[in-house]
Amino acid sequence: NAGVMQNPRHLVRRRGQEARLRCSPMKGHSHVYWYRQLPEEGLKFMVYLQKENIIDESGMPKERFSAEFPKEGPSILRIQQVVRGDSAAYFCASSPPQKDTQYFGPGTRLTVL
Amino acid sequence: AQRVTQPEKLLSVFKGAPVELKCNYSYSGSPELFWYVQYSRQRLQLLLRHISRESIKGFTADLNKGETSFHLKKPFAQEEDSAMYYCALRVNNNDMRFGAGTRLTVKP
Repeated sequence: NAGVMQNPRHLVRRRGQEARLRCSPMKGHSHVYWYRQLPEEGLKFMVYLQKENIIDESGMPKERFSAEFPKEGPSILRIQQVVRGDSAAYFCASSPPQKDTQYFGPGTRLTVL
Repeated sequence: AQRVTQPEKLLSVFKGAPVELKCNYSYSGSPELFWYVQYSRQRLQLLLRHISRESIKGFTADLNKGETSFHLKKPFAQEEDSAMYYCALRVNNNDMRFGAGTRLTVKP
């Protein structure tokens, strides 16, 4: 089992561009979580998804951010019209159906110029 | 408010010395607490959780409901323990609240 995969590991965007972050959960895991880590801060929950469903998006900013977890393929965190304040490390975690321990990916570091 | 506080951003000890990483939480319900560790250039991984009452790599953590704490301890620190440590609180099935993290450096 390769573990949770995230790509790209580093992403540079200019203000106003779109950023797409991908997360492939561990095999057999149907639950995906996205977290953001701003500089000098801890991890903050953003969204929890199951296949084709958003279960809890209470941590997502109301505008410009969206997430999906399609039936086939990775989970995508999409940030439209990025701003400098979006620069952060974005971590994905997955867990099996019984929602036990979360396993984390290596993260994507987004830099907005 | 549900919150996890790790008061020390940086902690430095010598090899063989005891180490304690502090974690305090604020939660009205019955807490479920975890410690995660991130070694250099590696991903975040679970170290231990209070319901297991286990010892991993010599680390233990006891939940103290009176003091609302879940401090991580090890009697004799090793150089390979140098890492970022995060305390986390599960507030419901979906939501984990993480502290800001403590960077532990174990000097030779």
